[in-house]
Amino acid sequence: DQQVKQNSPSLSVQEGRISILNCDYTNSMFDYFLWYKKYPAEGPTFLISISSIKDKNEDGRFTVFLNKSAKHLSLHIVPSQPGDSAVYFCAASEGFTGANSKLTFGKGITLSVRP
Amino acid sequence: DVKVTQSSRYLVKRTGEKVFLECVQDMDHENMFWYRQDPGLGLRLIYFSYDVKMKEKGDIPEGYSVSREKKERFSLILESASTNQTSMYLCASSFAGSQGDEQYFGPGTRLTVT
Repeated sequence: DQQVKQNSPSLSVQEGRISILNCDYTNSMFDYFLWYKKYPAEGPTFLISISSIKDKNEDGRFTVFLNKSAKHLSLHIVPSQPGDSAVYFCAASEGFTGANSKLTFGKGITLSVRP
Repeated sequence: DVKVTQSSRYLVKRTGEKVFLECVQDMDHENMFWYRQDPGLGLRLIYFSYDVKMKEKGDIPEGYSVSREKKERFSLILESASTNQTSMYLCASSFAGSQGDEQYFGPGTRLTVT
């Protein structure tokens, strides 16, 4: 059973517009959420994260929103740039130490930003 | 900068061979992880280790084993490679107890089993 779901496999947006990538989770023990970005033939790189005690975290063009009651988070990219075209993975964690250190990833969303 | 290196970018092995994938990190991270990435399935955790000689099964450990004799090195072993283990293998590492559990990934090894 998938605990982190990214139901849309792909998204295409025009350069300069907003990209909204969605993620849902089922495990109520998750308390930290992260977004990773992956280019072809490279490992994923960390993008932005949010703790369950917050509902919003912002870093430049990237903002992550968390709705705990709905078990839903979203990544907003404004404005979108062609270099943002990549696969984006949502991930979640139950804790930071020992056996809880692992992340659970979604299947990923392929974002294409059209010039 | 954190650096996670993997022994090979591309590997071709035959069915039944024993395969070793090596991963080394240079940031004194306690945690190390092995994932595989397949189209439409995302990143799936095979095994992880939160200390030397400690290992925990991930979501898909069948057909794999791991070894962590030194803090900086984490090896993934395919005891008898099969064609369904053809995949991209990604190693990652992170600090224990760090805010955010940010994992740093290596470039990946594309393994083909024929």
